[in-house]
Amino acid sequence: NAGVMQNPRHLVRRRGQEARLRCSPMKGHSHVYWYRQLPEEGLKFMVYLQKENIIDESGMPKERFSAEFPKEGPSILRIQQVVRGDSAAYFCASSPLDRGARLQETQYFGPGTRLLVL
Amino acid sequence: AQKVTQAQTEISVVEKEDVTLDCVYETRDTTYYLFWYKQPPSGELVFLIRRNSFDEQNEISGRYSWNFQKSTSSFNFTITASQVVDSAVYFCALSEALLTGANSKLTFGKGITLSVRP
Repeated sequence: NAGVMQNPRHLVRRRGQEARLRCSPMKGHSHVYWYRQLPEEGLKFMVYLQKENIIDESGMPKERFSAEFPKEGPSILRIQQVVRGDSAAYFCASSPLDRGARLQETQYFGPGTRLLVL
Repeated sequence: AQKVTQAQTEISVVEKEDVTLDCVYETRDTTYYLFWYKQPPSGELVFLIRRNSFDEQNEISGRYSWNFQKSTSSFNFTITASQVVDSAVYFCALSEALLTGANSKLTFGKGITLSVRP
């Protein structure tokens, strides 16, 4: 029973390049969340997606960042024209379809992608 | 707005000592969920426990126990007879219950670095 998969585990980019981070949720999970962990800081929410829909993007920077979760394939977090400040660990989490009745499902995290911008 | 405070930043104990990690939260929601995650040196995030606000029963799992006190807005985590393998960063997190019944983002504390010395 595979957990949340993220690749690559480490990614090095030069300033101005694009970074693409992939996340495959756990089997049976249809919700994906992206979080960023900057050095010396806790995890900050970025975006919450269901298949083909962005549910909450309140934590996404307004420029250069985008996310998608297509009908087929993994969720992608895309960072265009990376800058040094984008260096961080990016974590993806997944959860099952919510059961409604205001019952939050547990989010299970992948191993993260460490992005280093030179 | 939600907030999670982990006032302790680093704790160092000797093996076999008991240690308590504090977590204080703020929320205006009457229904919410609390979580603890562990981040070992390898970097992944491991789910430990989830507590619903309407269930104040404390929980014990092996050497781990959690004390949820709504009156003080705290959800503290105790490790009994600590072991070197417990060395990690521990995060407390909070999510609100949306009126739509959908899942929602996690708000994390900054984490507590626990070092257990042999």
